[in-house]
Amino acid sequence: NAGVMQNPRHLVRRRGQEARLRCSPMKGHSHVYWYRQLPEEGLKFMVYLQKENIIDESGMPKERFSAEFPKEGPSILRIQQVVRGDSAAYFCASSPLETGSWNEQFFGPGTRLTVL
Amino acid sequence: AQSVTQLGSHVSVSEGALVLLRCNYSSSVPPYLFWYVQYPNQGLQLLLKYTSAATLVKGINGFEAEFKKSETSFHLTKPSAHMSDAAEYFCAVSGGGSEKLVFGKGTKLTVNP
Repeated sequence: NAGVMQNPRHLVRRRGQEARLRCSPMKGHSHVYWYRQLPEEGLKFMVYLQKENIIDESGMPKERFSAEFPKEGPSILRIQQVVRGDSAAYFCASSPLETGSWNEQFFGPGTRLTVL
Repeated sequence: AQSVTQLGSHVSVSEGALVLLRCNYSSSVPPYLFWYVQYPNQGLQLLLKYTSAATLVKGINGFEAEFKKSETSFHLTKPSAHMSDAAEYFCAVSGGGSEKLVFGKGTKLTVNP
């Protein structure tokens, strides 16, 4: 069973361009979370999605950032008109749809975005 | 609201020495607590978790942590450090279920030969 996959692993964009980050959850997982890690900081939650639904986007910047998890295909985190402050590592995690006490989140290797 | 404070952004120990990484949390609901490890340029791997069962939790690679409600702490320990333990360690809290994780800023562990 392959783990969470993210691509690209490294992405370089110039200011004003768009960045698209992709996340394929583990097989059988229907929950996806996006986190951002700034230098010297821990991970900060951005958004939580289930198939075709955004459940919690309380950590998403109000402008330029959007996320989707379509019925088919990977989850996409999209950053429009990137600025230097968007340079960070973006991690995706997935968890299974199980009722009960807690669902472990499995993390991908991350996409490291550099904005020039 | 939930938060995590990790005391010490850098900890250095000798190989074979005790590892102690500190984590204090704040939570308005009964917390679920986690320790993750991150090796350079990699994602996070779950070391161990507390989900309201036994307060002393054993994880992978010889690590363990004890949940102390009175101290709002969840410190990570390992009796004898190994060179391969050098990494960054993150403590996290959630309210359980499918809720988001709230992370501390991390502690970078260095193991000296």
